Amino acid sequence: SQQGEEDPQALSIQEGENATMNCSYKTSINNLQWYRQNSGRGLVHLILIRSNEREKHSGRLRVTLDTSKKSSSLLITASRAADTASYFCAAGGGAAGNKLTFGGGTRVLVKP
Amino acid sequence: ETGVTQTPRHLVMGMTNKKSLKCEQHLGHNAMYWYKQSAKKPLELMFVYNFKEQTENNSVPSRFSPECPNSSHLFLHLHTLQPEDSALYLCASSQGGGAYEQYFGPGTRLTVT
Repeated sequence: SQQGEEDPQALSIQEGENATMNCSYKTSINNLQWYRQNSGRGLVHLILIRSNEREKHSGRLRVTLDTSKKSSSLLITASRAADTASYFCAAGGGAAGNKLTFGGGTRVLVKP
Repeated sequence: ETGVTQTPRHLVMGMTNKKSLKCEQHLGHNAMYWYKQSAKKPLELMFVYNFKEQTENNSVPSRFSPECPNSSHLFLHLHTLQPEDSALYLCASSQGGGAYEQYFGPGTRLTVT
């Protein structure tokens, strides 16, 4: 079974609104990472949060991690049309081994 | 640009063809990866190389044959593929182990006819 699973699978919002997506994982981890993928392109690393951290910010991104619930969330504030993409969480290390295990992704559409 | 390049960007091949995908990273990383991304499926890790040595093979069929001549270059040799092998093949690299931040190339869109 996959380590990371995102929820929702798809999200449609208006420009300026916030977008929140969640990720659950199954085993212990060293870190949890979020990536963005524009259609048919490679993944771009957004942010990494370590297992001993609870919250991290980077620009308009806010990530939380709750290791007791084995879950993480990604919040994009004041969304822009350019934020339209698929977002993936990836569980790193821990019981999953020295690799990343990706979830199925959340497709975000930001309408102008 | 992420510092990882892949060629070709698009490839159409018949089931009896032999082709190769190439990946090059300009980041000085020591680990490189091949992933397969199919529609409606999570990203699947195929192979991992650390300092040119293969450290992981995720039960990938032998019709996919990786090659890593040095820490900057990674190839995926393809032969007698099946239509279900059609997918986006992504290469990535990282400094340190696979649980660290990975840098991805733009991918090769492969269609097997």
